[in-house]
Amino acid sequence: GNSVTQMEGPVTLSEEAFLTINCTYTATGYPSLFWYVQYPGEGLQLLLKATKADDKGSNKGFEATYRKETTSFHLEKGSVQVSDSAVYFCALSGGSSNTGKLIFGQGTTLQVKP
Amino acid sequence: DVKVTQSSRYLVKRTGEKVFLECVQDMDHENMFWYRQDPGLGLRLIYFSYDVKMKEKGDIPEGYSVSREKKERFSLILESASTNQTSMYLCASNPSRGGGQPQHFGDGTRLSIL
Repeated sequence: GNSVTQMEGPVTLSEEAFLTINCTYTATGYPSLFWYVQYPGEGLQLLLKATKADDKGSNKGFEATYRKETTSFHLEKGSVQVSDSAVYFCALSGGSSNTGKLIFGQGTTLQVKP
Repeated sequence: DVKVTQSSRYLVKRTGEKVFLECVQDMDHENMFWYRQDPGLGLRLIYFSYDVKMKEKGDIPEGYSVSREKKERFSLILESASTNQTSMYLCASNPSRGGGQPQHFGDGTRLSIL
């Protein structure tokens, strides 16, 4: 079945450091891919998405490129801020399983220190 | 913007009580979902619904039921609350079954069963 694997956290960075959070997936067909962010005490917010191979999603300085050849959707940001401290979830939907359900990774906690 | 509203941010109940968690969305979405989120386990799907009066079991439906009498409202019911149901509960919605549809989340209800 479909699945998503994220790098384990926590990831601890200093302010202005470069961020990469790895995400790989297993799916049949052509899924859509998402990154969600969860700030402390809140629900999940959609950060960015990509719906087909080679698409790049971007928002708030974060980017991720849909790489079908490596089945990956790594999240990157060039210069993190303390306010980026949160839990980040990679997710997929669709493909051959066209139900509207999302398959989530386990989440990666990011801590940014001043 | 889509608004998904969960009725309570924090809730404390006693073992054996019947507990209702309410969720309302304002964008006429077809699909609604209930998850629970626990440290180290990520998000786990409890139940979902594609339409009024329809429901489907997710990955962990035991001990829960749901109700969808109106399109905008999806209720999660703990028939007889137990301490192992202490968790963060998240409601989400998306427009339809088609792939590429992100889910929109509420702020969550942190439920404690004493």
